[in-house]
Amino acid sequence: DIQMTQSPSSLSASVGDRVSITCRASQGINTYLNWFQQKPGKAPTLLIYAASSLQDEVSSRFSGSGSGTDFTLTITSLQPEDSAIYYCQQSYRTPRTFGQGTKVEIK
Amino acid sequence: DEHLVESGGGLIQPGRSLRLSCKGSGVSLGDHSLTWVRQSPGKGLEWVGLIRSRGYGGTTDYAASVQGRFTISRDDSQNMAYLQMTSLKIEDTGVYYCVRDDLLLGSGSYWHVDAHWGQGIPVTVSS
Repeated sequence: DIQMTQSPSSLSASVGDRVSITCRASQGINTYLNWFQQKPGKAPTLLIYAASSLQDEVSSRFSGSGSGTDFTLTITSLQPEDSAIYYCQQSYRTPRTFGQGTKVEIK
Repeated sequence: DEHLVESGGGLIQPGRSLRLSCKGSGVSLGDHSLTWVRQSPGKGLEWVGLIRSRGYGGTTDYAASVQGRFTISRDDSQNMAYLQMTSLKIEDTGVYYCVRDDLLLGSGSYWHVDAHWGQGIPVTVSS
């Protein structure tokens, strides 16, 4: 199975800050990398797919980059509603494994 | 309004069986692969398995942790998918999500993505 490792596990930042979350795959996955946001008690929602494509109706404050084994999710100008857990997922092959999640808190 | 609605969860004893259902409401399931993802209490997301659309052979793949115990099936005539869980273990406890795979355009290509999620259904395995 392909292992996905996210860092950091959690972060705390102020409104307006730029934050980045990294995701590393245990083997090359081209750009078969997706990012999800999950708020407490809710199902995850898709933010970014194919490493850098923004899902419809997702704020342009979110962006993704990377290919191969190293990927980044960036949130520019952090907003209070961005407080959530963020997961990466590879869709290169099954099982479509997830990273362990990164909790983003607002200071 | 498009929804995936899971049902069939609840409290079940270890070793018993349970079947979860996923119904598409206002959203067609027939031409899509369908995935089950679970989340143990306070933990991250775990991919459980998927069933491909009939156009892709209707084949299934499973995580090693459920292989041989769980079976995913579908009834496209009823716009339904199912997760049959047998020999349940305490560690199978969690919220189970039904997810529809969508074909999305990005960077000039089409990508299969777990884009459309149900609200989730809790399953508790306990004696």
